[in-house]
Amino acid sequence: SQQGEEDPQALSIQEGENATMNCSYKTSINNLQWYRQNSGRGLVHLILIRSNEREKHSGRLRVTLDTSKKSSSLLITASRAADTASYFCATDSGGSYIPTFGRGTSLIVHP
Amino acid sequence: KAGVTQTPRYLIKTRGQQVTLSCSPISGHRSVSWYQQTPGQGLQFLFEYFSETQRNKGNFPGRFSGRQFSNSRSEMNVSTLELGDSALYLCASRQGTGANVLTFGAGSRLTVL
Repeated sequence: SQQGEEDPQALSIQEGENATMNCSYKTSINNLQWYRQNSGRGLVHLILIRSNEREKHSGRLRVTLDTSKKSSSLLITASRAADTASYFCATDSGGSYIPTFGRGTSLIVHP
Repeated sequence: KAGVTQTPRYLIKTRGQQVTLSCSPISGHRSVSWYQQTPGQGLQFLFEYFSETQRNKGNFPGRFSGRQFSNSRSEMNVSTLELGDSALYLCASRQGTGANVLTFGAGSRLTVL
């Protein structure tokens, strides 16, 4: 079963625009991560935010976490065609630290 | 540093057969996890192995099994294949069970006819 659910399911934008994806989850978490997957390939880790953090940046990526609302957002600024991919949030909770993934947001960036 | 290597990349089987998939983790990574990815169910956790022991298990039937060798390489086996087993099987490694970030392989695409 999915812990996190991404919204929207699909997003289509023009190059240079910002892309925002959201993730909601159900139970308390230790950490939340975002991963990217290019079509039919493995996932690539983008960023991890711990439950006691509110915001993190990595290059053009900005992640926020609101534990009171059990939600996170991933912002990609100045998007490029190469950002076209599916983006997944993953949460872990309890002692196992096993990331549980949402169904992902499919992002298409038109050149 | 070599990444996570999965073999084979693609395979086609028929119902009732069995399949074995292999995963070589990043050197030094002792934990190997397996996930099944389908369009309908998304990414589902199968199991995790650490030091040759299964540490965590997802909600899959007993037809799905795995093992880990002393060099941390892992295999998963699916017996009595069903059409619904068609999926991308992803292997991921991490340094230990307390580490968070997973490094994924490219996956093994299984088609069951």
